Amino acid sequence: SQQGEEDPQALSIQEGENATMNCSYKTSINNLQWYRQNSGRGLVHLILIRSNEREKHSGRLRVTLDTSKKSSSLLITASRAADTASYFCATVENSGYSTLTFGKGTMLLVSP
Amino acid sequence: NAGVTQTPKFRVLKTGQSMTLLCAQDMNHEYMYWYRQDPGMGLRLIHYSVGEGTTAKGEVPDGYNVSRLKKQNFLLGLESAAPSQTSVYFCASRPQGSVSYGYTFGSGTRLTVV
Repeated sequence: SQQGEEDPQALSIQEGENATMNCSYKTSINNLQWYRQNSGRGLVHLILIRSNEREKHSGRLRVTLDTSKKSSSLLITASRAADTASYFCATVENSGYSTLTFGKGTMLLVSP
Repeated sequence: NAGVTQTPKFRVLKTGQSMTLLCAQDMNHEYMYWYRQDPGMGLRLIHYSVGEGTTAKGEVPDGYNVSRLKKQNFLLGLESAAPSQTSVYFCASRPQGSVSYGYTFGSGTRLTVV
């Protein structure tokens, strides 16, 4: 069953603006990951945040995690047209061979 | 470094036909996964393997079989294809050890069953 639920389902912004996507999940997790998928392509790992971390940065990406609310957000600053893609959050639970469970994704359109 | 390679990239099958999707990785990863992606559904796990000779069921395993005879290869088989198996299939891998590793995905196989 789906673990994460992204919000919004679709987001349209202009180049230079910031894009914020949210993810909610249901169970206790070991870590939460964000992936990008360009149209017709595979998924690319962007960033991983562990359950004992609250915020993490990577270039123009900023991820926050609130385990008390079971939610995460991905902020992309100064968006570019090349950021146009679908973004998925995925969670890993605390068990030996725990696998990634994905949400349904947010489609981001960045217009020039 | 090729990463994760999936073959074929596209395939059209008739209902009842069989086929095998091949996933190959050159990163010496222990863990490998097969997901399917359907519109509006995100990715769902079909089967996975935690090492050569091992396989385990995921969320949606019915109608599929897998084999991991070699560490670098993970095969997904459809014995009797059904239209409900029309989907995009993704293979992924990650190193052994901590669960705090991102997955490396292949570029996908688009399968249509008519």
